[in-house]
Amino acid sequence: GAGVSQSPSNKVTEKGKDVELRCDPISGHTALYWYRQSLGQGLEFLIYFQGNSAPDKSGLPSDRFSAERTGGSVSTLTIQRTQQEDSAVYLCASSPNHRGEAFFGQGTRLTVV
Amino acid sequence: AQRVTQPEKLLSVFKGAPVELKCNYSYSGSPELFWYVQYSRQRLQLLLRHISRESIKGFTADLNKGETSFHLKKPFAQEEDSAMYYCALSGHQAGTALIFGKGTTLSVSS
Repeated sequence: GAGVSQSPSNKVTEKGKDVELRCDPISGHTALYWYRQSLGQGLEFLIYFQGNSAPDKSGLPSDRFSAERTGGSVSTLTIQRTQQEDSAVYLCASSPNHRGEAFFGQGTRLTVV
Repeated sequence: AQRVTQPEKLLSVFKGAPVELKCNYSYSGSPELFWYVQYSRQRLQLLLRHISRESIKGFTADLNKGETSFHLKKPFAQEEDSAMYYCALSGHQAGTALIFGKGTTLSVSS
């Protein structure tokens, strides 16, 4: 079946613009995670969804970052007023439950110029 | 708070040499530990998990609760093992997220 799908694959945006990153998890997976991957920082946790609720959003770096999940499926990560330090690969993963294997998408490479 | 520490950013070994990628964790409870791997231009994927107690691609990892460690080992490294390796932890409570260490790049040369 289809794996985790993220769109767009690449996004170049101007500093100060808003961006939306989309994640389509594997059907039936209740847990969904967003991470940021950058050189030297490894895999930085951003937010975790269980169903449509987010029991842990402690990793969001600032109030410019927000995420939602609807219908227990698709999730959108929104970054407002982008800054150059937001440039990174944003990864989404889904899992059957919070202790199961996480399946990752291919990521969205965001470049803020 | 849960935390995963991978002290080495880069580990370089020769083909056929033993490999040990270190991972230490902090969690007040019964964690579930994982190793994930990312090969060049591929997605991050699960390598192994501690409850499986199995060997994958010759790699093993033992959970040591006394030392709060979950080191990844392989007796004889191969060039195709070159990749980025992440240790990860999930807590027992439903509201706890899957947390990763900063990763270790393994480079195996001939």
